[in-house]
Amino acid sequence: GIQVEQSPPDLILQEGANSTLRCNFSDSVNNLQWFHQNPWGQLINLFYIPSGTKQNGRLSATTVATERYSLLYISSSQTTDSGVYFCAVGETSGSRLTFGEGTQLTVNP
Amino acid sequence: EPEVTQTPSHQVTQMGQEVILRCVPISNHLYFYWYRQILGQKVEFLVSFYNNEISEKSEIFDDQFSVERPDGSNFTLKIRSTKLEDSAMYFCATRGARLYGYTFGSGTRLTVV
Repeated sequence: GIQVEQSPPDLILQEGANSTLRCNFSDSVNNLQWFHQNPWGQLINLFYIPSGTKQNGRLSATTVATERYSLLYISSSQTTDSGVYFCAVGETSGSRLTFGEGTQLTVNP
Repeated sequence: EPEVTQTPSHQVTQMGQEVILRCVPISNHLYFYWYRQILGQKVEFLVSFYNNEISEKSEIFDDQFSVERPDGSNFTLKIRSTKLEDSAMYFCATRGARLYGYTFGSGTRLTVV
């Protein structure tokens, strides 16, 4: 099956800093989503972005499908941004989402 | 924004007992899924359901598991005889069409003791 690698595994920032999270995948995809898992365990959908660039407030994401990677940018980070960020991809041949291991982000005040 | 609703939010059960986890999908969505996340690990696919039948399942989804949509609205996951290793967060997810994004419910935290 498809492999999804996220980096870095852990990231510690001071409030106000910017960061870039990366997701590499091993095969063609027709679906790519970024999720934020909050401290209560909920998966919050950030972006549906199988290709191109999207922005939502302080967050933006870019997927370069031909090169099999996606980036999530967080600007002016806040303590409420803390949590685990997951990239999940759907292969063109199937319907399931395959998740990466996640990036644990800690934003300190 | 439409939501996927899961009940209960927490459940504690004794080993060997049957549990049923419930999900109310977004009303016009056609594809339904269950995923699980063991504490500290990544989210894993269990099963997908479309047109009233299982369309894909993972190796985790063995004979102890079953899914159904009994009344056209709820989507349920049944675990027949729970084991300690079934302790996890279980997520229901739905989407409206094959090339659309998934919407996840807030999860059911199952603890088997």
